[in-house]
Amino acid sequence: KAGVTQTPRYLIKTRGQQVTLSCSPISGHRSVSWYQQTPGQGLQFLFEYFSETQRNKGNFPGRFSGRQFSNSRSEMNVSTLELGDSALYLCASSLNSMNMENTEAFFGQGTRLTVV
Amino acid sequence: KQEVTQIPAALSVPEGENLVLNCSFTDSAIYNLQWFRQDPGKGLTSLLLIQSSQREQTSGRLNASLDKSSGRSTLYIAASQPGDSATYLCAVRVSMKTSYDKVIFGPGTSLSVIP
Repeated sequence: KAGVTQTPRYLIKTRGQQVTLSCSPISGHRSVSWYQQTPGQGLQFLFEYFSETQRNKGNFPGRFSGRQFSNSRSEMNVSTLELGDSALYLCASSLNSMNMENTEAFFGQGTRLTVV
Repeated sequence: KQEVTQIPAALSVPEGENLVLNCSFTDSAIYNLQWFRQDPGKGLTSLLLIQSSQREQTSGRLNASLDKSSGRSTLYIAASQPGDSATYLCAVRVSMKTSYDKVIFGPGTSLSVIP
């Protein structure tokens, strides 16, 4: 079956612009999580959506927002871009059944965002 | 607060060697632990998932163990190959008191296998 698909793979934006990233989870998966990865900070959790509702949120400013659609696809939006937003943005999907022990996260290839 | 650490931060070994990567977590109340591999600039590839009730999992040349009581997991790679060169991350899935479960990552171990 198809894996997690993130689009676009690469993006270059200028400071002050906004950007929208997309993530299509594995078919049947209802949970989508977003992460920011930078060389200095490692993987940092942004937020998680489950059945169109945000369940968890990391410590990022309000410029970072997201949403999930009824087909479980998710989008992440960053407004008023700053140079420090340059990073690899990763999306993970999981089935998230009642059995948490068996819940496995699967990642997409990421979107490389460069802010100039 | 759950914290995940990985030792060593970087490792360089000659091809053919067996090696062990370490992962430690501070709170033993986890649902599971997952090992990932990440190639430069790419996404994470899931290698092994160990449920909290399990002690180890094996896949090919990889073997991961879990000791919840001591807060440790090891990833054993047998007969290393240059293609194993990548960053290896461990992550624990935990229960959040005020919300649902959450995945917490370690900083990763950068592995280089020298031909």
